[in-house]
Amino acid sequence: AQKITQTQPGMFVQEKEAVTLDCTYDTSDQSYGLFWYKQPSSGEMIFLIYQGSYDEQNATEGRYSLNFQKARKSANLVISASQLGDSAMYFCAMRVPGTGNQFYFGTGTSLTVIP
Amino acid sequence: KAGVTQTPRYLIKTRGQQVTLSCSPISGHRSVSWYQQTPGQGLQFLFEYFSETQRNKGNFPGRFSGRQFSNSRSEMNVSTLELGDSALYLCASRELNEKLFFGSGTQLSVL
Repeated sequence: AQKITQTQPGMFVQEKEAVTLDCTYDTSDQSYGLFWYKQPSSGEMIFLIYQGSYDEQNATEGRYSLNFQKARKSANLVISASQLGDSAMYFCAMRVPGTGNQFYFGTGTSLTVIP
Repeated sequence: KAGVTQTPRYLIKTRGQQVTLSCSPISGHRSVSWYQQTPGQGLQFLFEYFSETQRNKGNFPGRFSGRQFSNSRSEMNVSTLELGDSALYLCASRELNEKLFFGSGTQLSVL
């Protein structure tokens, strides 16, 4: 079975500080993709960053980086230099080619950036 | 390219009614997926269509159905609405081995 677990329902971070959002996954497939999405209060899900299971380097996209630890099956999102606009829900997701490229989402983490 | 477009943005219905939601994918994307999002539940997968065929289906009752047209536009229908169907319904399109692009969603309230 495929599963994504996000254990932090809510997180707070001071503006300009870094924050790590946790994500663990479970799959028996060797090939998979890991994604992070941001959902502001407007509702639209915005893609942030992607990591392939065979990628040796951790993915980075601007202030976002993905701390990929394959042996521990974790894919934590690190946001550096937090901004007020980073306040949103964050979802970790996994795409598994072996299940028809279906996506599996975690329950999300609500991040609040404090001025 | 225009993004994923969902209509309507908000919808209010009463129990027992039916509702149809619409989704226009990004031009060139042949896959359209639907998700239900409720507070505390995260995103729950409803179904995915590719080239007018349903590829995957989540664990929802038969009251939830969908279809995809030849231009890749998709509709989702919920019949005999229940209070528990109140949710944000998100549509996403993609090429099959790529990331999902989401629309802004349809907020459905069932009274």
